[in-house]
Amino acid sequence: QQQVKQSPQSLIVQKGGIPIINCAYENTAFDYFPWYQQFPGKGPALLIAIRPDVSEKKEGRFTISFNKSAKQFSLHIMDSQPGDSATYFCAAGAGESGGYQKVTFGTGTKLQVIP
Amino acid sequence: NAGVTQTPKFRVLKTGQSMTLLCAQDMNHEYMYWYRQDPGMGLRLIHYSVGEGTTAKGEVPDGYNVSRLKKQNFLLGLESAAPSQTSVYFCASSYLPRIEAFFGQGTRLTVV
Repeated sequence: QQQVKQSPQSLIVQKGGIPIINCAYENTAFDYFPWYQQFPGKGPALLIAIRPDVSEKKEGRFTISFNKSAKQFSLHIMDSQPGDSATYFCAAGAGESGGYQKVTFGTGTKLQVIP
Repeated sequence: NAGVTQTPKFRVLKTGQSMTLLCAQDMNHEYMYWYRQDPGMGLRLIHYSVGEGTTAKGEVPDGYNVSRLKKQNFLLGLESAAPSQTSVYFCASSYLPRIEAFFGQGTRLTVV
């Protein structure tokens, strides 16, 4: 049972383009939506995160758009650069009894930005 | 400032062998996690801990055990390795739940 569905699986854009990665979730208890960036041979690193009380968040060239009613969120990378080539994971987190954390990851999108 | 350190970085095991993966964090984080990463599957939570002396099962706990005897360390054990456990394992830690988790660089494990 995949709780966070991510698409596309891979994406190739030219330098300066705006790649868009989409995620959809089912569990309405999710209240934390981070995006992680992973370079080959490295662990994932937090890129940007959003809470469901806002519809958009920007950090530099990275923007998250959030649609609570549709249960969807997406990552846009403005003016993409070859250095942005990496695998991007969306995730969704929800609290559980006892204050435990549960974060579910999407399956990842491999982005290649060609010069 | 080391962050999250995993040991070893690579390992090849024969089916049935046992091993322990060590994760150490120097950020005084309460929460620690073990994930496995497989192609097309994303990151799946194996076990996690909300503090020293506590552990809990994640999505895919079968075949693994964990211990958190010290706050800074989280050990993942495989008692009898199987080829299905071939994967890249990541440890992570966070100060609070559902905020930024810091990941280690991973352990690539191959079971033959």
